[in-house]
Amino acid sequence: SFVLTQPPSVSVAPGQTARITCGGNNIGSKSVHWYQQKPGQAPVLVVYDDTDRPSGIPERFSGSNSGNTATLTISRVEAGDEADYYCQVWDSSSDWMFGGGTKLTVL
Amino acid sequence: QVQLVQSGAEVKKPGASVKVSCKASGYTFTVCYMHWVRQAPGQGLEWMGWISPNSGGTDFSQKFQGRVTMTRDTSISTAYMELSRLRSDDTAVYYCARQLVGATAIDYWGQGTLVTVS
Repeated sequence: SFVLTQPPSVSVAPGQTARITCGGNNIGSKSVHWYQQKPGQAPVLVVYDDTDRPSGIPERFSGSNSGNTATLTISRVEAGDEADYYCQVWDSSSDWMFGGGTKLTVL
Repeated sequence: QVQLVQSGAEVKKPGASVKVSCKASGYTFTVCYMHWVRQAPGQGLEWMGWISPNSGGTDFSQKFQGRVTMTRDTSISTAYMELSRLRSDDTAVYYCARQLVGATAIDYWGQGTLVTVS
């Protein structure tokens, strides 16, 4: 079955750039979606289809996907970006899958 | 605006069943697949399955095959998820979530329903 691997945690200072990775075998051939989840809240879609942003999501959030790694990039990080981030794909053999999640800490 | 409003928290005994509802508003209910995703305390997101509100067709994660049922009532724009033979490790927040049209992503989530098995 398809497995998505995320680092458990990423730390970044305010104003810097955070990069959260999502690894999977040939993940570049799939559409990757990213969700932000703050404590006690439902997830929020921040990037879909590798690079697209839903309306209302700041341009600071961007995505890329190539080879075996997809990346969510958050530019000019703010304190309010501190949250858990999950990648997600659909795979014909494994159906819908989420990565294990990455806790973003803003120092 | 799109809203998914779920039923309230439940406490169940091991071996029992639970049925969670999800009432949709702000869009045409039959257009978008509805997914169910759960999250155990302190853990990540786990996909359970989806239902097509239009046809009633379903697809489930292998992990839940035989224990989960997903139904809908189009007359009241409501989806349901029933999980049977509950165990303590089924304790989790259960979310209904709408699939984005034309993509394999979820664009709207319910507020979540805490199911405690104890």
